[in-house]
Amino acid sequence: GIQVEQSPPDLILQEGANSTLRCNFSDSVNNLQWFHQNPWGQLINLFYIPSGTKQNGRLSATTVATERYSLLYISSSQTTDSGVYFCAVSQGGSEKLVFGKGTKLTVNP
Amino acid sequence: SAVISQKPSRDICQRGTSLTIQCQVDSQVTMMFWYRQQPGQSLTLIATANQGSEATYESGFVIDKFPISRPNLTFSTLTVSNMSPEDSSIYLCSVERTLIDYTFGSGTRLTVV
Repeated sequence: GIQVEQSPPDLILQEGANSTLRCNFSDSVNNLQWFHQNPWGQLINLFYIPSGTKQNGRLSATTVATERYSLLYISSSQTTDSGVYFCAVSQGGSEKLVFGKGTKLTVNP
Repeated sequence: SAVISQKPSRDICQRGTSLTIQCQVDSQVTMMFWYRQQPGQSLTLIATANQGSEATYESGFVIDKFPISRPNLTFSTLTVSNMSPEDSSIYLCSVERTLIDYTFGSGTRLTVV
């Protein structure tokens, strides 16, 4: 099956710093999602981005499908950005998501 | 986005017992998904639940251990049977209405002692 690798596994920032999270996938996909899991376990969908670039406030994401990677940018980080960021993909006609192992982000005040 | 109510939010259970987790969605959806997240790990799909048919289980998960019901288009249950400490995890349900609209329940944090 498809492999999804995320880096870095852990990231510690001071409030106000910028960061880039990476997701590599091993095969072509028709769906790529970024999720944020807050410290209480709730998963929130950030972006649906199988290709191209999207922005939502301080967050933006870029997927280069031909090179099989996606990047999530967080600017001016805040303590509320802390949690785990997951990349998840699906292929073909399937709606089943395959998740990467996540990047654990800690933003210190 | 869909709104999902998942219950219970957490439980502590004795080994050998069973726990049933419920997910109620505020709108009709064709497929519901059940995931397991072991401590400090990523999400792993347990099964896909379609209304009116048996759930489809992923490799490594079996119906006897994780029976699923899907009586209508807004509700599903997952039972964790004959629990052992290795079943301690967060269990999450999810729905997908469109490719841009994946929603997760708030999760059930299960501890087996």
